Amino acid sequence: SAVISQKPSRDICQRGTSLTIQCQVDSQVTMMFWYRQQPGQSLTLIATANQGSEATYESGFVIDKFPISRPNLTFSTLTVSNMSPEDSSIYLCSVGGGQAQHFGDGTRLSIL
Amino acid sequence: AQSVSQHNHHVILSEAASLELGCNYSYGGTVNLFWYVQYPGQHLQLLLKYFSGDPLVKGIKGFEAEFIKSKFSFNLRKPSVQWSDTAEYFCAVKPMDSSYKLIFGSGTRLLVRP
Repeated sequence: SAVISQKPSRDICQRGTSLTIQCQVDSQVTMMFWYRQQPGQSLTLIATANQGSEATYESGFVIDKFPISRPNLTFSTLTVSNMSPEDSSIYLCSVGGGQAQHFGDGTRLSIL
Repeated sequence: AQSVSQHNHHVILSEAASLELGCNYSYGGTVNLFWYVQYPGQHLQLLLKYFSGDPLVKGIKGFEAEFIKSKFSFNLRKPSVQWSDTAEYFCAVKPMDSSYKLIFGSGTRLLVRP
């Protein structure tokens, strides 16, 4: 399976600021996904990012809040904008499509 | 709405005990089913998956799961747990009419006492 690296692994941010999370894969993949895991809750899909097209956002997530870039087949970024304490979560990058999805280590984000 | 329910949020077992974690989903169509495991400090790893065929699937580390279509269930089992099985376990469902969207259960934290 693909090796997925996320940066940063964790961060503590001030409310109102933005943070960009990077996801690097060691092989070319068509589909990349961004998930959020809020404290004590399940994983929720934020958006699907395919190279060469706009990201597709799930209900409850919008591009202004979570802009995503997908410049090539091995890299994607997720920005969490204008952060508030409610955005404190683990954000995970995932790759895969018809078969199983594989996950990075995640970025643990805390907003003060 | 599509959902996945994991009935046990926390399970504590002694080594060598048998394990069964429940997973039910709400979706009437064809699905792919997965169990993921997250060991302390590590990323999510695929434990096993079911796409079609034999409803009893075997995964890594001695785990198996049985798909019972009539009950919309995909329970995870292991005959004899080890201390190293201490982890969080997530059931996930992919409805076949979605764009590869995985719907996760809330997870079950398993603690195995030596």
